[in-house]
Amino acid sequence: NAGVTQTPKFQVLKTGQSMTLQCAQDMNHEYMSWYRQDPGMGLRLIHYSVGAGITDQGEVPNGYNVSRSTTEDFPLRLLSAAPSQTSVYFCASSPATKHEKLFFGSGTQLSVL
Amino acid sequence: AQTVTQSQPEMSVQEAETVTLSCTYDTSESDYYLFWYKQPPSRQMILVIRQEAYKQQNATENRFSVNFQKAAKSFSLKISDSQLGDAAMYFCAYRRSSGGYQKVTFGTGTKLQVIP
Repeated sequence: NAGVTQTPKFQVLKTGQSMTLQCAQDMNHEYMSWYRQDPGMGLRLIHYSVGAGITDQGEVPNGYNVSRSTTEDFPLRLLSAAPSQTSVYFCASSPATKHEKLFFGSGTQLSVL
Repeated sequence: AQTVTQSQPEMSVQEAETVTLSCTYDTSESDYYLFWYKQPPSRQMILVIRQEAYKQQNATENRFSVNFQKAAKSFSLKISDSQLGDAAMYFCAYRRSSGGYQKVTFGTGTKLQVIP
């Protein structure tokens, strides 16, 4: 049982480059979300999805794009990377059941030079 | 908007001793869930314990227990008999239970050091 698979684990980009962080889950979870973790700021929600074809913005959506064409996949796109996007990114999923914990991927350490 | 506050950026505890991590939150909801997640150096996010707001009884999981004070909007985590493997970042989190997507809000974290 793979759970939430997030790739890559590490990435270095130059300012202005674009890239996609991949996230896939095999638990048939309705909810999927992307967080960024920065020192002293905890985890902040970037975008989330409540099902295939449905996405919405979180607290810090600027500079990021998402889509959800299938239940399993929820990629995060950086359109034009900026040094302020240097962070650790987590993908998380959960069933629609409200009391369920979040299931996290292993995270991506992204550095933008 | 809900906010979660962890006022202790860093804490330390002697091995085998007890430590309490603090968390307060702000919400106008009456029904919600609270969580403590552990993040060791491996970066993996691990659920430690969760509490339903409608339950008066404090949740416990082995050496981990919470002190949930709903009126005070306080949710502290007590770790008993601390072990070296407890050294990690700990995040308090809030999840509302009403109205569409139940967004999870995290605190800023407390880094726990365990001294041998």
